[in-house]
Amino acid sequence: TQLLEQSPQFLSIQEGENLTVYCNSSSVFSSLQWYRQEPGEGPVLLVTVVTGGEVKKLKRLTFQFGDARKDSSLHITAAQPGDTGLYLCAGAGNNDMRFGAGTRLTVKP
Amino acid sequence: DSGVTQTPKHLITATGQRVTLRCSPRSGDLSVYWYQQSLDQGLQFLIQYYNGEERAKGNILERFSAQQFPDLHSELNLSSLELGDSALYFCASSVASGGRYGYTFGSGTRLTVV
Repeated sequence: TQLLEQSPQFLSIQEGENLTVYCNSSSVFSSLQWYRQEPGEGPVLLVTVVTGGEVKKLKRLTFQFGDARKDSSLHITAAQPGDTGLYLCAGAGNNDMRFGAGTRLTVKP
Repeated sequence: DSGVTQTPKHLITATGQRVTLRCSPRSGDLSVYWYQQSLDQGLQFLIQYYNGEERAKGNILERFSAQQFPDLHSELNLSSLELGDSALYFCASSVASGGRYGYTFGSGTRLTVV
């Protein structure tokens, strides 16, 4: 059983469409991060959210941390083929971090 | 280049054998974390070291062990290998202990047990 549940598991869309992926947990985290992983590479940190209700924007990506610090969402506007990859959310505990299973996004040109 | 170096990149070995994976953290980072990633299990936390001392343990098998040396590099030892140990093994590092501000990951070691 995953501590962090991500949905959807798979998402295939056309270039230019918008999308939202979700990360939910029953646990409260001191912070939550989003990573993107490409095949054969390690995850790369996109953003860290710390405060409940926090919203961060990174170009076409918008990240939101839930008020109770248990869930988060990632919204991508006007997706591009370069956004293709595995998106992982991770919740920070006292000494470690636990990852969700990820959302595998494919953006078709 | 993330600054976290993992070697080797690929490893093929037979069941029952023992292997050692190596990780050099990003300059200035004191914490090292090991994760296993397989298709059906996602990223599973194995173990964390901070400045040479073990800080947290996850789902690490008894056949696996790790250590962090005075120069802060870390090694993950996998013994009595089974087919099910085939996976990507990632090392990550951070300045402080805990994941509050995120980790920097290496490119991983792909282990294939045949």
